Amino acid sequence: EAQVTQNPRYLITVTGKKLTVTCSQNMNHEYMSWYRQDPGLGLRQIYYSMNVEVTDKGDVPEGYKVSRKEKRNFPLILESPSPNQTSLYFCASGKWGGEGDTQYFGPGTRLTVL
Amino acid sequence: AQSVTQLGSHVSVSEGALVLLRCNYSSSVPPYLFWYVQYPNQGLQLLLKYTSAATLVKGINGFEAEFKKSETSFHLTKPSAHMSDAAEYFCAVSHGGYQKVTFGIGTKLQVIP
Repeated sequence: EAQVTQNPRYLITVTGKKLTVTCSQNMNHEYMSWYRQDPGLGLRQIYYSMNVEVTDKGDVPEGYKVSRKEKRNFPLILESPSPNQTSLYFCASGKWGGEGDTQYFGPGTRLTVL
Repeated sequence: AQSVTQLGSHVSVSEGALVLLRCNYSSSVPPYLFWYVQYPNQGLQLLLKYTSAATLVKGINGFEAEFKKSETSFHLTKPSAHMSDAAEYFCAVSHGGYQKVTFGIGTKLQVIP
């Protein structure tokens, strides 16, 4: 089954405690991305990656890091979380153009930073 | 720069009635345009996308959208609403496929029995 998995699904943490949200896809997609969803703001892109070792900033990258060492994984790292990073986070993967053109989103990770 | 504006954060329709969700875009170059649906407590699902191949795009679940360059619009329609269509719908724009996608703030669709 084609899927994007995220872990953890729910996380409550405290300010300054480093955390990682994992994202993994099983479709061999080149493209992966992270978004945060906040009420009244829709989804905003944090980082995206077009392939292994190729990443670029989205619209709201401050306070986040990513890495793409393997094609299937795209972890989101918060080195020093702050309360304004409390949000619902989605990972996505996709293949653009040609056979199998599609995009999938993960189920989301709800993060609360106290 | 690119952006989308979704008119109406909440839309209510009766079951069986026409669904019309409005989206206007701003883009300095020919855009790719998308509609996504998010059911409660779930991730997003791609409904359809415009890639310049045809101005009328058909998607899943009976939805379609028409690209109108003169009006800079990409409104989503469905002839007859079902209760299962109740969800939040997002319009989005990009210049390069699935990278650098900019989303609207979303429209919550309520279907009244």
